[in-house]
Amino acid sequence: DIQMTQSPSSVSASVGDRVTITCRASQDIRGWLAWYQQKPGEAPKLLIYDATSLQSGVPSRFSGSGSGTDFTLTISSLQPEDFATYYCQQANSFPRSFGQGTKLEIK
Amino acid sequence: QVQLVESGGGVVQPGRSLRLSCVASGFTFSNYPIHWVRQAPGKGLEWVAVISYDGSRKYYADSVKGRITISRDNSKNTLYVQLNSLRAEDTAVYYCAREVERFFDYWGQGTLVTVSS
Repeated sequence: DIQMTQSPSSVSASVGDRVTITCRASQDIRGWLAWYQQKPGEAPKLLIYDATSLQSGVPSRFSGSGSGTDFTLTISSLQPEDFATYYCQQANSFPRSFGQGTKLEIK
Repeated sequence: QVQLVESGGGVVQPGRSLRLSCVASGFTFSNYPIHWVRQAPGKGLEWVAVISYDGSRKYYADSVKGRITISRDNSKNTLYVQLNSLRAEDTAVYYCAREVERFFDYWGQGTLVTVSS
């Protein structure tokens, strides 16, 4: 099974900051990676798929990079609505797996 | 618009069974694989199961294998999951999610299952 490890587990930042979250897979997953955003009491929302593709309707301040085992999610200029928990997820093989999450908090 | 609506959650005693449903609308249900993902209170996301668009292929997480059956009725636009021999660690919000090109583009609002005596 593929393990997904995110870092950091939590991060504090201010509106306007640039934030990067990393995700590492325990084996090569090529580009089969997604990023989701989840706010309290809500279902997750797809932000990025295929490691780098922006889901329709998602602001362009979100971007993804990486391939193989190492991936990053970058938010170029934080907005108030971006404070949430972010998860990576591999889609290379079953069982699918998620990272443990990164909570983005207001500084 | 695409909608997925889960139901069937509630409080259930350890060792008992529960069937969850997910009703889809706004898209051609029979064209898409559908997944179940759960989230224990205050914890992260855990993938649980998937069923192919026609029901011919199913995969399960090891944590539920042998205790779970996923099925679908494309004539009713409905997905089901039967959970047996429930344990405290099965307590979670259960989401159904539509798969497009390997990823989950639409999710339901979730249904809470609480396993407690």
